Amino acid sequence: DTGVSQNPRHKITKRGQNVTFRCDPISEHNRLYWYRQTLGQGPEFLTYFQNEAQLEKSRLLSDRFSAERPKGSFSTLEIQRTEQGDSAMYLCASSLRPTRSLSGNTIYFGEGSWLTVV
Amino acid sequence: DAKTTQPNSMESNEEEPVHLPCNHSTISGTDYIHWYRQLPSQGPEYVIHGLTSNVNNRMASLAIAEDRKSSTLILHRATLRDAAVYYCILRDDQGGSEKLVFGKGTKLTVNP
Repeated sequence: DTGVSQNPRHKITKRGQNVTFRCDPISEHNRLYWYRQTLGQGPEFLTYFQNEAQLEKSRLLSDRFSAERPKGSFSTLEIQRTEQGDSAMYLCASSLRPTRSLSGNTIYFGEGSWLTVV
Repeated sequence: DAKTTQPNSMESNEEEPVHLPCNHSTISGTDYIHWYRQLPSQGPEYVIHGLTSNVNNRMASLAIAEDRKSSTLILHRATLRDAAVYYCILRDDQGGSEKLVFGKGTKLTVNP
């Protein structure tokens, strides 16, 4: 257990429905990342927050995807009007912003939330 | 993002050493070499990282070539629990998001 918690761990939904995943990072971590992983592939970066600010978004993050981190603590990833191609594992990760004396910060991943769209 | 090349798969026997290679010929001066591994049905976990010098920790050793264009992750005595996909990743640790960009990694099978 890395300390990064994701819920729900598994979700089966019908095409066209909305789903929301929640991530609780390690408490003192100010950086939070979302990744997506399909079978046989490595994780793909979706977006990243520093505190409550969303500072980077991948082009993979279509208009149907939205991520928030309202108070700089937990984060949610919502997928609207789900499609079968959204079926994947969604990974959340967190880390500390590096300081002058601390570089190469380790990123800690949760166990992921599996989404199946039928 | 600088790219890495790893074999798709490798096999080892339990309690034997494993050397997992990674080529990164386009590495830049500010890129650190990070290794993560992903056990089945889990998120990736940090293994080790380094810049120029060889590194050791309780999980593994990292040997970095003098020109930094390749590196090798060494598991000194493989166990069945080391069966996983191992990712070699270059990351610019000097600023920015410091996100990790994963390739397909090397799937390590450990035989009893």
